[in-house]
Amino acid sequence: QSALTQPASVSGSPGQSITISCTGTTSDVGGYNYVSWYQQHPGKAPKLMIYDVSDRPSGISNRFSGSKSGNTASLTISGLQAEDEADYYCSSYTSSSTLSYVFGTGTKVTVL
Amino acid sequence: QVQLVQSGAEVKKPGASVRLSCKASGYTFTSHFMHWVRQAPGQGLEWMGVINPSGDATSYAQSFQGRVTVTRDSSTSTLYMELTSLTSEDTAVYYCAREPTPARKNFDFWGQGTLVTVSS
Repeated sequence: QSALTQPASVSGSPGQSITISCTGTTSDVGGYNYVSWYQQHPGKAPKLMIYDVSDRPSGISNRFSGSKSGNTASLTISGLQAEDEADYYCSSYTSSSTLSYVFGTGTKVTVL
Repeated sequence: QVQLVQSGAEVKKPGASVRLSCKASGYTFTSHFMHWVRQAPGQGLEWMGVINPSGDATSYAQSFQGRVTVTRDSSTSTLYMELTSLTSEDTAVYYCAREPTPARKNFDFWGQGTLVTVSS
């Protein structure tokens, strides 16, 4: 079971919107609506930003939104702000015989 | 408020074992699945394993099978993870994480992480 595929880096200017993709297979992203997204600042623990493909936990800004089409999930950050600069990881439940959850390769978001 | 407080950094020699702890507070410990996730230096997140709320069932990533054991103590609201036969490739920050209830297949609260360094 390989990690889900994410772009290594995405950048944008303040106020712009960016989208991060997360590509898996029918055994994970495409097979379940259990895709979640995590934000991780340097030296900190990951923080849940999106769960069940498109739901936001309480307290998470509505500038963060999620979606899914086929085997690819996406995280969109609108109105980009300096504090959004961080690493982002997607995750999915998987029916793989080798593990139950798989993470993405991670995307570094840079605010220009 | 929900808190997951992990034990301190460890330095181990190759071939040794390490046991990490994660003390939970602010919620009903026995209502939630608990997970361990690790992150090697400069690398991504890697799921290691999960234990059910009652502590009588576990599931591990195949890459750790036979080397990892996750347990929990409801009397102290503490989660444990033991990893044996350590190599330099096990040098990483290890995180405990809570799964929301009912089982929601995500990780809503994380511990602060414990750095394990494996070096001769």
